Amino acid sequence: QSVLTQPPSASGTPGQRVTISCSGSSSNIGSNYVYWYQQLPGTAPKLLIFRNNQRPSGVPDRFSGSKSGTSASLAISGLRSEDGADYYCAAWDDSLSGPVFGGGTKLTVL
Amino acid sequence: EVQLVESGGVLVQPGGSLRLSCAVSGFTFSSYWMHWVRQAPGKGLVWVSRINNDGSSTSYTDSVKGRFTISRDNSKNTLYLHMNSLRAEDTAVYYCTRDVGPIPPTTWFDPWGQGTLVTVSS
Repeated sequence: QSVLTQPPSASGTPGQRVTISCSGSSSNIGSNYVYWYQQLPGTAPKLLIFRNNQRPSGVPDRFSGSKSGTSASLAISGLRSEDGADYYCAAWDDSLSGPVFGGGTKLTVL
Repeated sequence: EVQLVESGGVLVQPGGSLRLSCAVSGFTFSSYWMHWVRQAPGKGLVWVSRINNDGSSTSYTDSVKGRFTISRDNSKNTLYLHMNSLRAEDTAVYYCTRDVGPIPPTTWFDPWGQGTLVTVSS
């Protein structure tokens, strides 16, 4: 049982826009930054979004993050086949004094 | 190029011990806090432990407290995870990652190593 809640799966067709939600509480998302990590099949996680909505250099602007209250979302526009991966949200949890992750969302590009 | 390379993962019996290593290059290791994150087969990411830049402060998730010890050797640019009293539920790929937040500890991890698989089974 992960502290942050994500839907286990999402899907879309090429060119579509897909959003992945991440729900938390006042001790994590509600009071701290949200980060998103992309894990392509068989590889290590990679930083996708930092500080709620900032993209590292090299991450396409098709990826965007947002946060409102105790929830956050990752949006992927212009879906491409190579976007098929697992996506994880993460945030610091003040009650646990440590990082917490969502359970991950497996994105399938149909 | 920043690189993190884990090693040491093997098949070990329940109750056994293991030491994982994470050799880093391409950045000033002694300036960064570091973390271990694990991923059980087919499951999600779970934070395990972190250590500050000079090794004087550590923290662990509850399930490994008293069994795992994180350490670092800044002269060798290497992070370690000493694992004792291993259980089946410790079976996972273990990743080391760098904390790049301006005021660590944070959840801002970049990059991640390729991971090393620890299997606990008789």
